[in-house]
Amino acid sequence: QVHLVQSGAEVRKPGASVKVSCKASGDSFTRYYIHWVRQAPGQGLEWMGIVNPSADTTSLAQKFQGRVTVTTDTSTSTVFMEVSSLRSDDTAVYFCARGRGGYYGLDHWGQGTLVTVSS
Amino acid sequence: QSVLTQPPSVSGAPGQRVTISCTGSSSNIGAGYEVHWYQHLPGTAPKLLIYGNTNRPSGVPDRFSASKSGSSASLAISGLQAEDEADYYCQSYDNSLRGEVFGTGTKVTVL
Repeated sequence: QVHLVQSGAEVRKPGASVKVSCKASGDSFTRYYIHWVRQAPGQGLEWMGIVNPSADTTSLAQKFQGRVTVTTDTSTSTVFMEVSSLRSDDTAVYFCARGRGGYYGLDHWGQGTLVTVSS
Repeated sequence: QSVLTQPPSVSGAPGQRVTISCTGSSSNIGAGYEVHWYQHLPGTAPKLLIYGNTNRPSGVPDRFSASKSGSSASLAISGLQAEDEADYYCQSYDNSLRGEVFGTGTKVTVL
């Protein structure tokens, strides 16, 4: 059974950066993909991007390209997502989720990390 | 703006059947990409309800079913229960955007 545990809530000022971690356990880390999804207050789910830990490749939604960086540490089965140049509308709960390929959807999710951007 | 459109809300009495539509286009659902459905309760992580258009993961009640036709998909909840009150999202891949997309979300209210 895969278990994804995310880092705790963060508060940042506009213009700063934040790095959220997602640690996987229970299955081989390199056998699947990790997606990042966020939900701003009162809004729906928004897909941010995907990382393939085994190939160390990343694909981001266009609106996040240039401002979001996703890295992996296979030695600790951890994925990191960093958002830079934070704005108030980046205030959201950020989720990591496991994907096994297009047919299977996102079957295991982290508990979510609240990032608050406020001056 | 999401490329997958859902009704903002649907409601039904306990025991009734409700359906949620998810309308896409030729670059996502209509292109043959799979549709998945999630249930999301406030303060929790989304839960996968349906994968690969019509399949239920282990543990999901058979009250939940889904279908896909052309550029649209739908989720049905039969025998509606109070615990089904939540937000529901469809998800697919879009080859124009080159990434996954979620629907706009539908709030289900049990009257």
